[in-house]
Amino acid sequence: GAVVSQHPSRVICKSGTSVKIECRSLDFQATTMFWYRQFPKQSLMLMATSNEGSKATYEQGVEKDKFLINHASLTLSTLTVTSAHPEDSSFYICSALAGARGTYNSPLHFGNGTRLTVT
Amino acid sequence: AQSVAQPEDQVNVAEGNPLTVKCTYSVSGNPYLFWYVQYPNRGLQFLLKYITGDNLVKGSYGFEAEFNKSQTSFHLKKPSALVSDSALYFCAVRVLTGDSWGKLQFGAGTQVVVTP
Repeated sequence: GAVVSQHPSRVICKSGTSVKIECRSLDFQATTMFWYRQFPKQSLMLMATSNEGSKATYEQGVEKDKFLINHASLTLSTLTVTSAHPEDSSFYICSALAGARGTYNSPLHFGNGTRLTVT
Repeated sequence: AQSVAQPEDQVNVAEGNPLTVKCTYSVSGNPYLFWYVQYPNRGLQFLLKYITGDNLVKGSYGFEAEFNKSQTSFHLKKPSALVSDSALYFCAVRVLTGDSWGKLQFGAGTQVVVTP
């Protein structure tokens, strides 16, 4: 089956530093990837849609200069949290859409998430 | 706007008893509905989906869901719960964004606790 690898699984960084999270589709090409954020015991909040070769589309209220997304290839999207602060501490999950633009029943595959703690 | 609602924050059930996790939806047009499960500090695993066809959908790990158009519901069920089913369950509806069907709108999640 389709596998999405997300790395690192856990990261601790100091306030003011930047952290990069990678999301790779291992055995399929993903023209579209999605980045979600999840607070403890809460649902997933879509942050942005990442399209290969073009700029990401950010959801309302998400700072694009703070959460930099790059989707340079069909198998890799990265999320960089710039100048991290403690309030950025969260669980970040990526997902990938197999195929081109997908159809209504196209599978969406999820990574295992990254636990970011900013001290 | 598309949305799903999960009215229960938590469902407690004894092992061996039937498990039901509720979900209602609000969509314009045809609903494309999904159930996912999340274990602690992990991503989401796909359980099942309803696109068209039979109202009773069978999925992974013995789960099934019943689509009810008149009640706009898509409840997740399992006839006999296992302790290992304890996890966080999300109902989701697929949204057409531009020309991509990838965007999922998730419910708030329901924590399932199965006791031995």
